[in-house]
Amino acid sequence: GAVVSQHPSRVICKSGTSVKIECRSLDFQATTMFWYRQFPKQSLMLMATSNEGSKATYEQGVEKDKFLINHASLTLSTLTVTSAHPEDSSFYICSATPIDSSPLHFGNGTRLTVT
Amino acid sequence: AQSVTQPDIHITVSEGASLELRCNYSYGATPYLFWYVQSPGQGLQLLLKYFSGDTLVQGIKGFEAEFKRSQSSFNLRKPSVHWSDAAEYFCAVVSPMNYGGSQGNLIFGKGTKLSVKP
Repeated sequence: GAVVSQHPSRVICKSGTSVKIECRSLDFQATTMFWYRQFPKQSLMLMATSNEGSKATYEQGVEKDKFLINHASLTLSTLTVTSAHPEDSSFYICSATPIDSSPLHFGNGTRLTVT
Repeated sequence: AQSVTQPDIHITVSEGASLELRCNYSYGATPYLFWYVQSPGQGLQLLLKYFSGDTLVQGIKGFEAEFKRSQSSFNLRKPSVHWSDAAEYFCAVVSPMNYGGSQGNLIFGKGTKLSVKP
């Protein structure tokens, strides 16, 4: 089945540094990938839609300059949290689908802790 | 506004007992409906989905869900719970019009945590 790999699974960084999270579709091509954020005991909130070869589409309230998304190939999208602050600590999950009519496949998520 | 409500934040059942997790949605028309399961520290795995047709949907791991239009509900059920079913369960909806290239626009409920007693 379709597999989405996310790396790293956990990262701890100091306030003010930047962190890059990778999302790869291992056995399919994905022109579109999605990035979600999940706060403790909360649901997933869509942050942005990553489009291969073009700019990402951000949801309302998500800072584009803080959460940089690059979808440089059909199998890789990256989310960079720039100048991270403790309030950015969260669980970030990506998802993708092989073809538009298929359900989303999710990565295993990245736990970001900013100290 | 579209929304998904999972009334139960935390449910505990005994192993072998039956399970029903509730999901209600608020939407102008019938959306596409999904149930996902999330193990601790993991991503989400699709259990089942409903697009149209038979309102009783079978999924993986012995789960099923029934769409009831009159009640705007899509409750998840399992006849006999196993200890490995302990996880967080999310109901999600999306507009059929948004499904496809922009299907990331799923709206998730807040989840129901399932604990299983031995």
